[in-house]
Amino acid sequence: AQSVAQPEDQVNVAEGNPLTVKCTYSVSGNPYLFWYVQYPNRGLQFLLKYITGDNLVKGSYGFEAEFNKSQTSFHLKKPSALVSDSALYFCAVRDRDTGFQKLVFGTGTRLLVSP
Amino acid sequence: DSGVTQTPKHLITATGQRVTLRCSPRSGDLSVYWYQQSLDQGLQFLIQYYNGEERAKGNILERFSAQQFPDLHSELNLSSLELGDSALYFCASSVDRGNTQYFGPGTRLTVL
Repeated sequence: AQSVAQPEDQVNVAEGNPLTVKCTYSVSGNPYLFWYVQYPNRGLQFLLKYITGDNLVKGSYGFEAEFNKSQTSFHLKKPSALVSDSALYFCAVRDRDTGFQKLVFGTGTRLLVSP
Repeated sequence: DSGVTQTPKHLITATGQRVTLRCSPRSGDLSVYWYQQSLDQGLQFLIQYYNGEERAKGNILERFSAQQFPDLHSELNLSSLELGDSALYFCASSVDRGNTQYFGPGTRLTVL
């Protein structure tokens, strides 16, 4: 069975500082990994994904994530946080080796960027 | 804007009632997925349709059903509603075998 852990309910960072939102996953096969962001009263917006290849994935709005197979992690990063980055972030996994295309989500991490 | 549309945005109803949520996928996407987001359960996959056929089922209650029509829009029917069904219901779509699911804005269901 697939699972995702986001160990921090909330991450606080000052504007201009680097940010990291942590994610670890568990799948029986090889993973497809995703990050989505949810703003208040909005749907989930796709940020980036890891399918295969380069372990460092770049996505929208200056975000990037690093896939680490040995640590089964896919942490989201940004070199310089903006107040407008404050939102709820979800990591999701899909098992590449099964026919199921459903996404399994973590519980979400609230990012709060202070001015 | 993801290109996925959902109606209505908000729905308030009473226990025991039945409602229908509607989703139009992005142009060209054949797969539609339904997810439920609640405070206690988080984001849970409910069901997937591909080109009109059910492809996968998740934690969907027997009181819930869905279908995808020839024009590829999908409806999620929730019946005999209970207080615990209050949640945000998301639809997502993808090109089959494509890996990115694009989500709609959601329908917020409140059962009183």
